[in-house]
This record gives sequence, structure tokens and C-alpha cells, in this order.
Amino acid sequence: QVQLVQSGAEVRRPGASVKVSCKVSGYSLTAISMHWVRQAPGKGLEWMGGFAPEDGETVYAQRFQGRVTMTEDTSTDTAYMELSSLRSEDTAVYYCATAPYNSLALEFWGQGALVTVSS
Amino acid sequence: DIQMTQSPSSLSASIGDRVTITCQASQDINDDLNWFQQIPGKAPKVLIYGASILQTGVPSRFSGSGSGTDFSLTISSLQPEDLATYYCQQYHNLPLTFGGGTIVDIK
Repeated sequence: QVQLVQSGAEVRRPGASVKVSCKVSGYSLTAISMHWVRQAPGKGLEWMGGFAPEDGETVYAQRFQGRVTMTEDTSTDTAYMELSSLRSEDTAVYYCATAPYNSLALEFWGQGALVTVSS
Repeated sequence: DIQMTQSPSSLSASIGDRVTITCQASQDINDDLNWFQQIPGKAPKVLIYGASILQTGVPSRFSGSGSGTDFSLTISSLQPEDLATYYCQQYHNLPLTFGGGTIVDIK
């Protein structure tokens, strides 16, 4: 079974960047697809981007294009999501979630990382 | 993008009640649908995938049905630990999209 452990809570000023990590265990990062989903306080779930099997690359949701970068370090089985030009509306819990390599069906989730953007 | 419309947005039911949540996709998604349970303060947990397949370890009181555009999640006998928000999610294509959620409260 895949287990995902994310980095801790972060506080950032508007305009800054944040990088959240997601350590995978129980499976190699090369054998699964990684996605990132966020949840603003009291709101629903929003997909930010992830690996697209048909394209063979990471795809980002249009509203985050140009501001988000998702990377992977296969030597440590750790995935990263960096969001730049932060604004108060980016205050949210950020989750990593995995799907089987050739699927988009989200299955296992990290515990979430709260990012607070405040001046 | 595929829009997922969930209803109701909230419900209150008694222990032992049968509860049904519906989810409608804006276009045909075959059976490419997940149902998640999110307990307050926790990460979502998959209950059902493939619209009707129970995830390993999930109690059998949960069931899913539907195909194409109309889906439902049923809890056959509501238990206290089922207090949560439930989300449907399509994975037919990108971007992945979620329903707005249904808050299940215990009377």
C-alpha cells in the first residue's frame, strides 16, 4: 500500500513562493502517477495538476498555469509542488494524491499541508 | 471541463437510516467515477471507484451505482462514524473535477 507523508504547515507573505513536499513509501514514484489537489478553508476539492498518462507528462490546471511547478526526485521517491506569486486566496490545505501509473483514478492521499498566505 | 453536480449539498439523518447522494456529470464519463469520504480535519479517503467497486476495507453498507452521466452513493444503514463530507470525482479525462460535496450530519 502506498503511504504519502507531506511537509509541514507554512506561512508566506503575498507575492512569495511555497514548496510542499510529498514523500512516497511502499511503492516507487516511477510506478505511480502523482497529482496535487487543494482545499481552501470550508470549501471543496480542486485539482491543480498531475501526471497525464496519455501525454506522458505533467499537466496543470489552466488557472494555475505559469504559477505552479510539479517535480519529482525519483532517487528519494519525493514529489514537490511549488506555487509562486502567492495571494491570500491561495490559503488552503494542499494534498498530494496518487493514481495507478496508467490511470487518473486518485487512490492514496497525503495528510495535507496547510499553506497560509498573510501579510 | 466536465462539471460534476452533487445533491443534496447537506443532509441530516438518523442512525440506521438509508442515505442516498447523487452526482451528475455534464457529459458521458462511462464509469470513471470515484466517491470519497472526508472526515473533518482529515484527508479524503476513497470509498468507491469505477462507480460501483468497493475499495478494500470499506464497510459493505456503502455502495455505488450508475454509469454515463448519473451516479449515486448509498449508505444502507447510517452509523455515527459516517459523519463526514462526501465527494464524487470524475477521472474520465483531465482536468480532474469534483462535485461540490455533501455534508452528512447525524440527527
